[in-house]
Amino acid sequence: EVQLLESGGGLEQPGGSLRLSCAASGFIFNNYAMSWVRQAPGQGLEWLSFINGRGDRTQYAQSVEGRFTVSRDNRESTMYLQMNSLRAGDTATYYCAKSKYSSGNDAFDVWGQGTVVTVSS
Amino acid sequence: DIVMTQSPDSLAVSLGERATINCKSSQSVLHSSSNNNYLAWYQQKPGQPPRLLIYWASTRESGVPDRFSGSASGTDFTLTISSLQAEDVAVYYCQQFYRIPWTFGQGTRVEI
Repeated sequence: EVQLLESGGGLEQPGGSLRLSCAASGFIFNNYAMSWVRQAPGQGLEWLSFINGRGDRTQYAQSVEGRFTVSRDNRESTMYLQMNSLRAGDTATYYCAKSKYSSGNDAFDVWGQGTVVTVSS
Repeated sequence: DIVMTQSPDSLAVSLGERATINCKSSQSVLHSSSNNNYLAWYQQKPGQPPRLLIYWASTRESGVPDRFSGSASGTDFTLTISSLQAEDVAVYYCQQFYRIPWTFGQGTRVEI
C-alpha cells in the first residue's frame, strides 16, 4: 500500500525552528517528485515546496522562500522540511504529497495525514 | 502567479441531484505538447487530507466513482457530481500544476 507519514510537528515559539519528516512506503520513492502543502486552520490549501526525484531541484512558494528548505534522503525514502524563522502565520497542518507521475508537473495522487505546526509564544 | 477562482463558495444540493462546481484560471494551463490542461480536482472531508478525484481536467483517478466528472473550456473548468450521495459532503478544490507556484482555488463546500 502506498503511504506517506508525516512527523515532527508541534508547538514552537516565533523565530524558532522545526524539521518535518515525511516517510514514504509502497512505491519507488526516488522515481517521484514530492511536495509540501499546508492548510491553516479553517482555510484552504497552499503549496509550499517541490523537490524532484533525485533531490537536485527544488522550488518554493514566495511565502516560505529563504526560511524553509526541502530535502530528501532516497536511501531512507524520506522527505524533510526544515522550517526556520517561524511566524504565527506558519501555524497550519502540513501535508506531504506525491506527484502522480515522474515528471513533477503532476497532480498529487497520494497525501499524508498531516502534522500540525503551531507557532505561538 | 496563476490565480484559481472557484464558484460558488458553497452550495446545497438534494440527495440524488446534480452538483456543479466551477473553477477559472487567470491564464491558460494548457500544456501544448500534450494538449492536456494541467488542472486537478480534490475532495477534502473534515479531518482528512485531500483526495485526488480528477487530473488533466477530465481524467478520473482510479477508484473514483463515475458520478464525478470534469470538463474544460478554455480557462474555465467544471467538476460535476451527477447524483449527489451523502458521502460526497466535503470541500472541493481545483489546482493548477502548470506553473510553479502551483495554486489552489479557495474551495467550494458541498452540503446536503
